[in-house]
Amino acid sequence: GQQVMQIPQYQHVQEGEDFTTYCNSSTTLSNIQWYKQRPGGHPVFLIQLVKSGEVKKQKRLTFQFGEAKKNSSLHITATQTTDVGTYFCAGITSNYGQNFVFGPGTRLSVLP
Amino acid sequence: DVKVTQSSRYLVKRTGEKVFLECVQDMDHENMFWYRQDPGLGLRLIYFSYDVKMKEKGDIPEGYSVSREKKERFSLILESASTNQTSMYLCASSLSPGLGTSTDTQYFGPGTRLTVL
Repeated sequence: GQQVMQIPQYQHVQEGEDFTTYCNSSTTLSNIQWYKQRPGGHPVFLIQLVKSGEVKKQKRLTFQFGEAKKNSSLHITATQTTDVGTYFCAGITSNYGQNFVFGPGTRLSVLP
Repeated sequence: DVKVTQSSRYLVKRTGEKVFLECVQDMDHENMFWYRQDPGLGLRLIYFSYDVKMKEKGDIPEGYSVSREKKERFSLILESASTNQTSMYLCASSLSPGLGTSTDTQYFGPGTRLTVL
């Protein structure tokens, strides 16, 4: 079955440092979504990428979808304490019907 | 705004009890999902539903069943709770069935932290 992996599992950074999490799928994806879960909260949708090689930005966050549509990355520039949380990618295959697989997440800690 | 609510934030049950977790969404979404979230394992799909009275198994359906009698409500049932079902349970809904559109976005409820003693 489809598998979605994320690295690293944990990341501790000093405030102001950059952070990147990587998402890799065992199969080609039709699209990929990113979610953020604050400590004690529930996952909240951040963005969806659909096109091969697509890059989208949200303020300090940059999302990228690989050319082969099997991997993605989320990069945060100059982290802030408000960035703390777990970042999940979720891959959707091109088969009809919901085949929505979440990665295990990367937990980000930002030290002030 | 989409609102997904779950019946309890915290629940403590005993081994062997029957447990009902309720989820309600108010945006007329077609699709609803139940996940469990465990440290290091992320979100794992238990069951999902495309429509009323319709259900599909996810990755870890064993020990669970679901019910969707009304479009807005999706219930997760643990017929006989066991200690390995202690977890955070998250319900989600989405408008479309994953066809690569923006309406695939999943909206999550606040979660129910279930402890089985």
